[in-house]
Amino acid sequence: ETGVTQTPRHLVMGMTNKKSLKCEQHLGHNAMYWYKQSAKKPLELMFVYSLEERVENNSVPSRFSPECPNSSHLFLHLHTLQPEDSALYLCASSDRANTGELFFGEGSRLTVL
Amino acid sequence: AQRVTQPEKLLSVFKGAPVELKCNYSYSGSPELFWYVQYSRQRLQLLLRHISRESIKGFTADLNKGETSFHLKKPFAQEEDSAMYYCALISGNTGKLIFGQGTTLQVKP
Repeated sequence: ETGVTQTPRHLVMGMTNKKSLKCEQHLGHNAMYWYKQSAKKPLELMFVYSLEERVENNSVPSRFSPECPNSSHLFLHLHTLQPEDSALYLCASSDRANTGELFFGEGSRLTVL
Repeated sequence: AQRVTQPEKLLSVFKGAPVELKCNYSYSGSPELFWYVQYSRQRLQLLLRHISRESIKGFTADLNKGETSFHLKKPFAQEEDSAMYYCALISGNTGKLIFGQGTTLQVKP
């Protein structure tokens, strides 16, 4: 696998479930990102990790919990979500933080019932 | 506030026609701007950045600070250019990449 890989590609969950989205990058990058893409809205930055340290938490509700165990892996843990959280969640990486050159995964389509 | 505006949700042109995808920004400092593209069933990817002053797949974009614009242009559209195009700005203060809402380009045969 090369590039940025996200799993699962599709996820349906109830409001009381706990699930996780996974992202893996094979590019040797040092920064990783979670973005949310909702219908009729611009891409919204959620979290940024640089060298495994969280450097940005863009006022995201605590029901979204990121984890970056190493520079190649990024998780988004989901707990007690709301239907309005249904969206496409995109992971991206870059060689360093604060650059506009991001490499994106294909996204995880989340539906909250 | 830093903001990127793409006024057109959909732009439809015929093959061979010129294309201009509009992007306006609001930023107090010296902006660094980008265009990203997402082809059908493919991931979002960087198309070009203004500081490179390059032409990618026949597309160019010029930063106009007076008009605070960064429009994407191509003289002769091809069917394979059909995609979703996003303009983005990086905030020098926060390093955050801020996206516009995107414009769907449809090139008809």
